[in-house]
Amino acid sequence: GAVVSQHPSRVICKSGTSVKIECRSLDFQATTMFWYRQFPKQSLMLMATSNEGSKATYEQGVEKDKFLINHASLTLSTLTVTSAHPEDSSFYICSAFPRNTEAFFGQGTRLTVV
Amino acid sequence: AQKITQTQPGMFVQEKEAVTLDCTYDTSDPSYGLFWYKQPSSGEMIFLIYQGSYDQQNATEGRYSLNFQKARKSANLVISASQLGDSAMYFCAMSPVGSSNTGKLIFGQGTTLQVKP
Repeated sequence: GAVVSQHPSRVICKSGTSVKIECRSLDFQATTMFWYRQFPKQSLMLMATSNEGSKATYEQGVEKDKFLINHASLTLSTLTVTSAHPEDSSFYICSAFPRNTEAFFGQGTRLTVV
Repeated sequence: AQKITQTQPGMFVQEKEAVTLDCTYDTSDPSYGLFWYKQPSSGEMIFLIYQGSYDQQNATEGRYSLNFQKARKSANLVISASQLGDSAMYFCAMSPVGSSNTGKLIFGQGTTLQVKP
């Protein structure tokens, strides 16, 4: 089946630094990918839609200057958390739709900002 | 606006028994898809089953079946013959189909299922 790979799975960074998270579709092309954030014991909340070759679309309340999204190729989207602060600590996970009936997720990235 | 509601924060089931996880939804999209995912403690999101809004029959995938009642806007997940490995968080989600928002998943609050030996 279709596979989405996300890296790194865990990252600890110092406050004020930036962290880049990669999301790759391994066996299909994804013109659109999605980024979600999940706080402990809560649901997944859509942050933004990553569009290959154009600007990402951010959900209301998501700071686009803090969460930079780049979709440089049909198989790779990156999320960069800039100037990270402890409140940005969360589980970030990407998804892609190879077809309407299936949405696959990456393994997720657990970000801890200290 | 779209909304997914899962009213059961936690559920217990005895091993080998069946369990139903509830999900209701609200949407103004004429065409939509309903998804169920399993999230174990590792965090990965495991796709379980899909139901299209125009599908005539309820979806089934192995031990998973979806009880889709369109008029009542419900899409309950039924897990038969529960196994200890089924213990996890379960999310119901919805996405419009055939629009610019296709692929955007709106999630319910989730239900934590614990299978007792």
